[in-house]
Amino acid sequence: GENVEQHPSTLSVQEGDSAVIKCTYSDSASNYFPWYKQELGKRPQLIIDIRSNVGEKKDQRIAVTLNKTAKHFSLHITETQPEDSAVYFCAAPGAAGNKLTFGGGTRVLVKP
Amino acid sequence: GAGVSQTPSNKVTEKGKYVELRCDPISGHTALYWYRQSLGQGPEFLIYFQGTGAADDSGLPNDRFFAVRPEGSVSTLKIQRTERGDSAVYLCASSLFQRNTGELFFGEGSRLTVL
Repeated sequence: GENVEQHPSTLSVQEGDSAVIKCTYSDSASNYFPWYKQELGKRPQLIIDIRSNVGEKKDQRIAVTLNKTAKHFSLHITETQPEDSAVYFCAAPGAAGNKLTFGGGTRVLVKP
Repeated sequence: GAGVSQTPSNKVTEKGKYVELRCDPISGHTALYWYRQSLGQGPEFLIYFQGTGAADDSGLPNDRFFAVRPEGSVSTLKIQRTERGDSAVYLCASSLFQRNTGELFFGEGSRLTVL
């Protein structure tokens, strides 16, 4: 099955700085890579996703890059704000596509 | 409905008891997923329904866990002879898309505590 590794597990940044979270996956057949944000005590919510036919996608202050050859993808948050503080999860579906395998999460703290 | 609804939001039970957790997905979403999230970890896949049938139940940890979706809408996750290790937040998600090709909409979860 798919195996997703996520780093770092915690990330502390100063407000206004950038944050980068990296994930690697094992199944080369994975073709869809979402990122979810989970605030404390809340449900995970999709913030951005990328499909395997593109290498980069941007949405305002967030962007995701994908390197299929190396089997890794990254989340970039620019101009971080206190409301960006949360746990972020990457995920990949594997060959069968029936189940998203999530990474272990990255706790991001944006210090004012 | 407006979103995925899960009940109960909190459930405290004693070791050995039976529990049922309910999920009401977004209307029209044919795909429904159950995940389990332990403290400080990512959601762990349990089972995926496409319509009424379980398309993939490979994540169910053992035969104490069972889930149904008899009419292709509401789903119930059933846990028999609960153990302390079953304590976690059980998340339900639904999607318009088959086979994880689009957004999953999660519920707020059911927090299960087994004493």
